[in-house]
Amino acid sequence: EDKVVQSPLSLVVHEGDTVTLNCSYEVTNFRSLLWYKQEKKAPTFLFMLTSSGIEKKSGRLSSILDKKELFSILNITATQTGDSAIYLCAVELRWGKLQFGAGTQVVVTP
Amino acid sequence: EAQVTQNPRYLITVTGKKLTVTCSQNMNHEYMSWYRQDPGLGLRQIYYSMNVEVTDKGDVPEGYKVSRKEKRNFPLILESPSPNQTSLYFCASKVPGTGGGGTDTQYFGPGTRLTVL
Repeated sequence: EDKVVQSPLSLVVHEGDTVTLNCSYEVTNFRSLLWYKQEKKAPTFLFMLTSSGIEKKSGRLSSILDKKELFSILNITATQTGDSAIYLCAVELRWGKLQFGAGTQVVVTP
Repeated sequence: EAQVTQNPRYLITVTGKKLTVTCSQNMNHEYMSWYRQDPGLGLRQIYYSMNVEVTDKGDVPEGYKVSRKEKRNFPLILESPSPNQTSLYFCASKVPGTGGGGTDTQYFGPGTRLTVL
């Protein structure tokens, strides 16, 4: 059975802290790993990772994939209250078929 | 404006009464997909479609049907809704990803909150 597990389930940090979110997976077939951010509405795309060891970066957010150890991390540095959201990880098993993790709820307090 | 629209946004219905949630996109995307989101379970894929007349099961297809007769529309049909289908439903579309480090932006609709009594 394909599994995508995110940890922690939730965390609370102060503005300015650094946050590291984990996504591990056990799947029969791997095409890519995707990160999304979900605030009060629909998810929005953050990163797509297909190769090990290559960091993707967008502003204060970055992500990396380890295909040997089967996990990815999403880092947020210098957090702001606007980073408060649910962060979703998904593995694309084959073209179009996605398996999501349960998400990590991040709360950033002023 | 590029967008995915869903209707209705909110729906309360009773067990067994057939319903359809519509999804439409104006970006000429080949790929469309339906998800449900439940607390503690994240998003789970119900069905997806790679193009017109091409549909495939996701993780949780039981109790749902879809059709893809036109590129822009991908309705979700619940023939006999049950209380365990109470959920938040999202439709999404994209151009199929090319992989190899490319982007894979999936555009999500605003969501349909369904309650089955």
